[in-house]
Amino acid sequence: NAGVMQNPRHLVRRRGQEARLRCSPVKGHSHVYWYRQLPEEGLKFMVYLQKENIIDESGMPKERFSAEFPKEGPSILRIQQVVRGDSAAYFCASSPGSPSGAFFGQGTRLTVV
Amino acid sequence: GQQVMQIPQYQHVQEGEDFTTYCNSSTTLSNIQWYKQRPGGHPVFLIQLVKSGEVKKQKRLTFQFGEAKKNSSLHITATQTTDVGTYFCAGQSGGYQKVTFGTGTKLQVIP
Repeated sequence: NAGVMQNPRHLVRRRGQEARLRCSPVKGHSHVYWYRQLPEEGLKFMVYLQKENIIDESGMPKERFSAEFPKEGPSILRIQQVVRGDSAAYFCASSPGSPSGAFFGQGTRLTVV
Repeated sequence: GQQVMQIPQYQHVQEGEDFTTYCNSSTTLSNIQWYKQRPGGHPVFLIQLVKSGEVKKQKRLTFQFGEAKKNSSLHITATQTTDVGTYFCAGQSGGYQKVTFGTGTKLQVIP
């Protein structure tokens, strides 16, 4: 039973380019969370999705950031026109529902140059 | 919005000493979870507490959920170098089960 798969593990983008981060949850999990983490800092909530629905996107900047979790395929976190401040580790986590712990992927380290 | 704070932010202990981190939520939680993140790694789920006053143990780790379901603690007995990492609590509340992570406690164990 594969865990949460995130790809790519490392992503380098120039300022102004788009970054697409993919997350395949644990099979059977319908809840997906995205978190952002700066070095030596905590996990900042970005968005919570269930299949085809955004439940809570209160932690996601309204401009340039979007997330989806389609009926088929992985969840995608999309960052348009990246800036240096977007450089961070982005973690995806999935769970089967509440109450339940979340299983994290290994993260995507985004570097904007 | 909901806030989850942890103290201390950092803790250095001599190997063999005990360690405790405390987690406080601004709102009542339906459950609390604990995670460990090793340096350079990803958070790993340790345990979940659901009932008021619940206490659970995993070997040298003891987890408690407060009576009011607004605070929690993690206690490690006789720390080892393998305990190094950042420990996060995470609370769930609200109708749609949003998980809010605490600020984390970074543990360093000196051999």
